[in-house]
Amino acid sequence: GAVVSQHPSWVICKSGTSVKIECRSLDFQATTMFWYRQFPKQSLMLMATSNEGSKATYEQGVEKDKFLINHASLTLSTLTVTSAHPEDSSFYICSAEGRGETQYFGPGTRLLVL
Amino acid sequence: GESVGLHLPTLSVQEGDNSIINCAYSNSASDYFIWYKQESGKGPQFIIDIRSNMDKRQGQRVTVLLNKTVKHLSLQIAATQPGDSAVYFCAEKSGFQKLVFGTGTRLLVSP
Repeated sequence: GAVVSQHPSWVICKSGTSVKIECRSLDFQATTMFWYRQFPKQSLMLMATSNEGSKATYEQGVEKDKFLINHASLTLSTLTVTSAHPEDSSFYICSAEGRGETQYFGPGTRLLVL
Repeated sequence: GESVGLHLPTLSVQEGDNSIINCAYSNSASDYFIWYKQESGKGPQFIIDIRSNMDKRQGQRVTVLLNKTVKHLSLQIAATQPGDSAVYFCAEKSGFQKLVFGTGTRLLVSP
C-alpha cells in the first residue's frame, strides 16, 4: 500500500514552453500533497504544500506564478512549470501524506529544459 | 543550482557487516522522525519511523534509535547487502509543521 506515482518520469522541452507533472496516490486518499525539488547530491527542497480543494502554500522564494499547483481531487495533484528555462532543469518529486503523518514519495520527474 | 564541491558524507561497508547511519536534528520540539532511502534517479522510499515517546523501534533488518537528550537519530542496518547501497535521509517534524530533511548519507556496500 501507500503507492505514489508521477508522470512523466522524464521530460525534455524547449525553453519557454510549459510542462505539467502529475502526482497520484494510487491506493489511498491524500488530502495533502507536497512538491519538492532536488539538485544533484543535495537534499530535498520543499517547494509547496498542496491541499485538496484549496490554494497551495508556497515556500519562501518559490514563485507561485511560475510553478502552478492544482490539487483537484484526493488522489491527484499537478505541478505546471510555466515558461520553463534551463535553470528550471531539476528532479521534481511529489509526496502524499497518507495514514498518519508519513509522507510517501513518488518516483520523481527529471526535467531538462534546452 | 548545484553547489560546486558539495559532497555527501559516505559510509563504506562490506557486505554482511552492520551499518550505522547517524543524524543530528536541530529542533528539540520535533516529535516525529522518519528515515528514507533514495536510490539514484528515484524518489525517497520510506524505511522506518519513530515518535518522540519512543527511543527504539525495529523493523525488518533495520532499527532506529532516538536520543532526545542530544537530539540524535540513528539507523542501524543489519547484515548489509549490496542492494542497501543508496543515500539515506533522516527527516524530522514538529506537530503540523513541514517535514525537514537532513543532508543525507551515502551508503556504499562492497561485495
